[in-house]
This record gives sequence, structure tokens and C-alpha cells, in this order.
Amino acid sequence: AQSVTQLGSHVSVSEGALVLLRCNYSSSVPPYLFWYVQYPNQGLQLLLKYTTGATLVKGINGFEAEFKKSETSFHLTKPSAHMSDAAEYFCAVYGNNRLAFGKGNQVVVIP
Amino acid sequence: ETGVTQTPRHLVMGMTNKKSLKCEQHLGHNAMYWYKQSAKKPLELMFVYNFKEQTENNSVPSRFSPECPNSSHLFLHLHTLQPEDSALYLCASSQDEGKGRGYTFGSGTRLTVV
Repeated sequence: AQSVTQLGSHVSVSEGALVLLRCNYSSSVPPYLFWYVQYPNQGLQLLLKYTTGATLVKGINGFEAEFKKSETSFHLTKPSAHMSDAAEYFCAVYGNNRLAFGKGNQVVVIP
Repeated sequence: ETGVTQTPRHLVMGMTNKKSLKCEQHLGHNAMYWYKQSAKKPLELMFVYNFKEQTENNSVPSRFSPECPNSSHLFLHLHTLQPEDSALYLCASSQDEGKGRGYTFGSGTRLTVV
């Protein structure tokens, strides 16, 4: 079954520093991959997705992710963290007729 | 406006009460989902509906009863809940199981059982 792994439940980053959130997937077929963001007491919002084509995907709020088949990874990055990036981030993969979500990364931005 | 609207946003209920959560989507999607999100736990998929038919029930206790009268509306009826049922309940919708475009989520209902 398709699944994703997100290590490290909490990630602290200084304002202006690189944001890097790691996601590794397991899939028996070419994967469809997603990153979502959740602000406090809100639902999940789609940041970006990879289906086919270009492996570097750009999303909203300055985030991007690169699909690397050889590493079975889909890491999320942002060059410079803002205070407004403090939120929880979920990686997901499509499989078995539904999305499978990771456990999430809580991002804390330090001023 | 995300296209998926959940009401109420907050709900406090006693263990003997009966209440319902409502979810409505205006996106023309054909699948709808209920998730439970508790503190420090992964997202838990509760129910899946495709074209109004329930296609999945992930061993959810019978005190949670879903209803999907049409492809645009989804309800979660609650009765005799326990304090551990306190959580954020999220509704989502998708077209064709979300393969190409993922899910669209509502803002959730924060449920507190007292």
C-alpha cells in the first residue's frame, strides 16, 4: 500500500532561514504526491502537488518541492522562512483510491 | 471561501446529547470524507462516500453515524459521545478519489465533549 513518512514531528527554523521538510514515499506505481498546510483551527490547504511532468513543483507562499524517484522523496523547501509559515505541514500520496497522509511536521519560526 | 463549508465551527456537548455536524461542498465533487484530528495523533479517516454511497467505514464506533443525502452534503450525527471524542472533525471532498487534484478540506468543527 502507498504511504508516506515524515520524520521529526516538530521543526524549528529561524526567521529568514531555509525551511526543509522531508517526505519519503512508498508506492508500487508512479506516485501522485501532495503537500498540505494547516494553520491553527483550520482545515488543510493544498500547497502544491506532483502528478506528472516537471519534477520541481512550485506552490503557494513561496514553497516548492522536488520529486526524486531514485530517492523516493518529495521534500518541501522555502528559501526564507517568515513568521506566517508557522503551521503544520502534511505530505500525502495517492493510492488505494484515497490519499494517505503522513503524521505531519509542526513548524515553529523563531524570530 | 474554500468551497467546503462546515457548521458549526465550534460545538460543546454533554455525553448524553445528540448533535449533528454538517458539511457542504459547492465544487461539483463526487466523493466526500470525514476525518478526526486529535492532538498529537495522525489524521484518522472515518468515513468515505462516493456518489452518495458509503464505501468505507474505518471501524468507527456506532455513536458516530454518517449520512450523505446527495453528493453535495454530508452529515455526522453524534450521540452518547465520550470525552475522548473531543477533537477537530474535518470534512473533505474530491473528484474521482483525489488522484489528480487532491482533496479540498473544510475549516473543521472543534468538538468538545463534557
